[in-house]
Amino acid sequence: GQNIDQPTEMTATEGAIVQINCTYQTSGFNGLFWYQQHAGEAPTFLSYNVLDGLEEKGRFSSFLSRSKGYSYLLLKELQMKDSASYLCAVISDYKLSFGAGTTVTVRA
Amino acid sequence: GAVVSQHPSWVICKSGTSVKIECRSLDFQATTMFWYRQFPKQSLMLMATSNEGSKATYEQGVEKDKFLINHASLTLSTLTVTSAHPEDSSFYICSASKGIGDTEAFFGQGTRLTVV
Repeated sequence: GQNIDQPTEMTATEGAIVQINCTYQTSGFNGLFWYQQHAGEAPTFLSYNVLDGLEEKGRFSSFLSRSKGYSYLLLKELQMKDSASYLCAVISDYKLSFGAGTTVTVRA
Repeated sequence: GAVVSQHPSWVICKSGTSVKIECRSLDFQATTMFWYRQFPKQSLMLMATSNEGSKATYEQGVEKDKFLINHASLTLSTLTVTSAHPEDSSFYICSASKGIGDTEAFFGQGTRLTVV
């Protein structure tokens, strides 16, 4: 099975930056996803990393180090609407396994 | 992108009855569909992998006789919760990929099941 760890909760101020870390242990690694999920809704895709390095997409960036089994999602210029759960998910053997999610609360 | 439609969005049923949830890929053919369950404040847990034209592969601890999965066509998979009990109340989400080895998964809207 997969072992995916991420912090349970984080709080930040509007306009600030927050970094959500994710560590994983898996066999047959095919890539790592970050999803955003608002309560009661399905996850929405944020990013996908399969090679080491940083992928930047607007206010969101994601980093991957395969040798360390480590990824982070960086949220810049936080907005109130960014308050949500952020899920780290690893794909291996063509199946997606999710971490427990990090609830980010953005305060004014 | 690609669109996956899940129906119904929510359902309330009596204990002991069965409920069917549909997952459709609207603008692509989905060789593989996945069914997840999510309890409040927990992450998505994979229940089973459904491949068109073959039997579903269930994750450990998921009862195949209770959660019946049918993937009869390349655009439709169904999950039937049989003899539902209150502990089956959960958020069920399907996802679909375009092919085996295709890494991106497209999610349905989810189904909130409440068993009373």
